[in-house]
Amino acid sequence: DAMVIQNPRYQVTQFGKPVTLSCSQTLNHNVMYWYQQKSSQAPKLLFHYYDKDFNNEADTPDNFQSRRPNTSFCFLDIRSPGLGDAAMYLCATSRDYTDTQYFGPGTRLTVL
Amino acid sequence: AQRVTQPEKLLSVFKGAPVELKCNYSYSGSPELFWYVQYSRQRLQLLLRHISRESIKGFTADLNKGETSFHLKKPFAQEEDSAMYYCALDTGRRALTFGSGTRLQVQP
Repeated sequence: DAMVIQNPRYQVTQFGKPVTLSCSQTLNHNVMYWYQQKSSQAPKLLFHYYDKDFNNEADTPDNFQSRRPNTSFCFLDIRSPGLGDAAMYLCATSRDYTDTQYFGPGTRLTVL
Repeated sequence: AQRVTQPEKLLSVFKGAPVELKCNYSYSGSPELFWYVQYSRQRLQLLLRHISRESIKGFTADLNKGETSFHLKKPFAQEEDSAMYYCALDTGRRALTFGSGTRLQVQP
């Protein structure tokens, strides 16, 4: 059974057109993370939530926002996607900060 | 700043040969290190973490603080080991720093 679910798996958007990526979890974990992974690069943390507490990485562009309306769901909003935002976006969860992170399958974003 | 280096983008070996995937890190404190694996068409998943000191699927990794390394080893590679392997570092900042990954190809 899938424990971390990401929708859609593939997303195509136009330059400058807002897009929202979704992540849900059935693990009831406290922490949810969003990573960006560009081709042949390491996954890079964008931000994370501990419950409702939001933590932004210092170098995450302002163009990226996140929402966590409840324990199960977390959204990544890209307000004005640029060509450089094309990447795989990975969602992960963990029970606590020191616990194993469980990853979703990722959403591949294409920006035309 | 912390950094994880995986010097090899691709490692190709024959079935039954030993495997060593290299990982070096830079961090002045006491690190916690992980190996994650991504098989074809599957999600990224934890393979092992150094504090567990366990062997998973025949893989082991030893933290060498003197050399700041956490190399992943397996004495006899299997075809099903073919995957992308990522070394990751947790410095206690509540986030993982990943290396850029090494693709392991095990040829029959």
